[in-house]
Amino acid sequence: AQKITQTQPGMFVQEKEAVTLDCTYDTSDQSYGLFWYKQPSSGEMIFLIYQGSYDEQNATEGRYSLNFQKARKSANLVISASQLGDSAMYFCAMREGVDNYGQNFVFGPGTRLSVLP
Amino acid sequence: DGGITQSPKYLFRKEGQNVTLSCEQNLNHDAMYWYRQDPGQGLRLIYYSQIVNDFQKGDIAEGYSVSREKKESFPLTVTSAQKNPTAFYLCATMGAGEKLAYEQYFGPGTRLTVT
Repeated sequence: AQKITQTQPGMFVQEKEAVTLDCTYDTSDQSYGLFWYKQPSSGEMIFLIYQGSYDEQNATEGRYSLNFQKARKSANLVISASQLGDSAMYFCAMREGVDNYGQNFVFGPGTRLSVLP
Repeated sequence: DGGITQSPKYLFRKEGQNVTLSCEQNLNHDAMYWYRQDPGQGLRLIYYSQIVNDFQKGDIAEGYSVSREKKESFPLTVTSAQKNPTAFYLCATMGAGEKLAYEQYFGPGTRLTVT
């Protein structure tokens, strides 16, 4: 079963508008972390935002915010005031557990965001 | 400047040849990872290493090999047994970030083309 689901293969948004990228996850762990990464056409993976499972407030980083709904197991990324430079692939990822490394960092299939001028 | 370097950025090889992709880090992180990414797809885990001289297979390890002789280096060899080696390869480390526990840090990637 997929641990991370991103149901939107592609999204379009008008410049300066807000956009929400969906992410749902599946875990039986009580302690986990949720991440969003941006991958522009150059290929590098850029960390955007993190939400811990015990964090009571939604994470925010500049124009990025994470709409965390624990009971629904969703961690949607909201980008406000979209810019042309936001056009990229966006990956939702989850790390299960607190401090063990290993094969417990999983990525979703990604959403390609295109910002229109 | 702390970070992860992968070289080269583009690599071309003939079918049947083994090729080694380099990954070096100066972040002092214990854990290192190799991912494969095909066009329009997500990341798939090839191998990971939690400490020196130890590594584990990921989801798609067949046709690949790794070594971890020192903390800073985690080279990946794509062998001739890998049926479809053309892909984008990303190396990552895991360590504690400024605000949070254990995020992954990525190198710039190597785009391998085998003809």
